Amino acid sequence: NAGVMQNPRHLVRRRGQEARLRCSPMKGHSHVYWYRQLPEEGLKFMVYLQKENIIDESGMPKERFSAEFPKEGPSILRIQQVVRGDSAAYFCASSPSASRHYEQYFGPGTRLTVT
Amino acid sequence: DQQVKQNSPSLSVQEGRISILNCDYTNSMFDYFLWYKKYPAEGPTFLISISSIKDKNEDGRFTVFLNKSAKHLSLHIVPSQPGDSAVYFCAAPIVQGGSEKLVFGKGMKLTVNP
Repeated sequence: NAGVMQNPRHLVRRRGQEARLRCSPMKGHSHVYWYRQLPEEGLKFMVYLQKENIIDESGMPKERFSAEFPKEGPSILRIQQVVRGDSAAYFCASSPSASRHYEQYFGPGTRLTVT
Repeated sequence: DQQVKQNSPSLSVQEGRISILNCDYTNSMFDYFLWYKKYPAEGPTFLISISSIKDKNEDGRFTVFLNKSAKHLSLHIVPSQPGDSAVYFCAAPIVQGGSEKLVFGKGMKLTVNP
């Protein structure tokens, strides 16, 4: 039973490029969360999605950031025109149901470096 | 606005001794708390939790204590082992913006020396 998968594990982008981060939840999980961890900080909530729906994007910057969780395939966090301040570790978590949100299982993260 | 605070960034203990990791919170609406453990280059993994109706929860070498009046919880690891060396995050679920999400502290790096 594979855990939450994230790829790539490391991503280097130049300022102004686009970054695409992918997350495959655990089998049977239909709820996906994205968190960002800046250096020396805790994880900060960005967005919560269910299949084909964005439920809560209150933690996501209004510009340049978007997320989706299509019916088929992984969840995608997309960052357009990256800036140095986007350099962080991005973690995806999944949970099996809406009633057990706090049982979130995390992926290994994608470390984004913007040069 | 740091609702969950881990004020000590690091702790170093000898193998076999007790490790005590502290966490303070400001939001009195929090009714559930979790501890996550994180190794380098890995995602956080759930360790132990406690509901606000309890003041203690024990799971093997790990015990979490909750003091609601002080808005304080602590994680005790005894005896500590070198494999416990990791970053530990305190977290609480909160309903905000229409959904429940986890609010994390900044983490504490525990080093257990052989």
